Amino acid sequence: KNEVEQSPQNLTAQEGEFITINCSYSVGISALHWLQQHPGGGIVSLFMLSSGKKKHGRLIATINIQEKHSSLHITASHPRDSAVYICAVGPNFGNEKLTFGTGTRLTIIP
Amino acid sequence: KAGVTQTPRYLIKTRGQQVTLSCSPISGHRSVSWYQQTPGQGLQFLFEYFSETQRNKGNFPGRFSGRQFSNSRSEMNVSTLELGDSALYLCASSPGTGGYGYTFGSGTRLTVV
Repeated sequence: KNEVEQSPQNLTAQEGEFITINCSYSVGISALHWLQQHPGGGIVSLFMLSSGKKKHGRLIATINIQEKHSSLHITASHPRDSAVYICAVGPNFGNEKLTFGTGTRLTIIP
Repeated sequence: KAGVTQTPRYLIKTRGQQVTLSCSPISGHRSVSWYQQTPGQGLQFLFEYFSETQRNKGNFPGRFSGRQFSNSRSEMNVSTLELGDSALYLCASSPGTGGYGYTFGSGTRLTVV
């Protein structure tokens, strides 16, 4: 079993739909990261969470430390949101050894 | 401010050769981490350097090595290249202390033929 599990692996939705991507992890962490990777490979760091909830524009990320679970939500989805979303966890602060989920490929249809 | 710069963007090498990739972090960032991304294994951590010292290491063979210079720029080297080393190599920089986020470079796509 992978230390970081994401679901779903693939998600296709219509423009405007509310999107939820889930991440569960089995190791102790100090921080969980949500990353976005567009075709061509470049990765953008969307959020770093250690507790609670963060919001940036149409993106919302939540984490439940007790349940070892995080969700990434996209409101009013747009075709430009089409990308691979990757969850990554880091152990203790001062230890940069990230472990990655396998990613969720999101396609938003106009 | 300038982002994380990786050079070169693309590279084709022959099996058995060695290769050196470069990563220039954001000014003021002292930590540089390296990752390998392949279709089969996804993203995997290679190693992390902080203030010129290797602070963390992933589960890769000794053919993969790196170093960091006093200006925080980092290089990674792969010797005796194998076909399976074909991958996207990404680096990320962070301040390296306390709560922090990462900024990723655009990556170097290495093809071994």
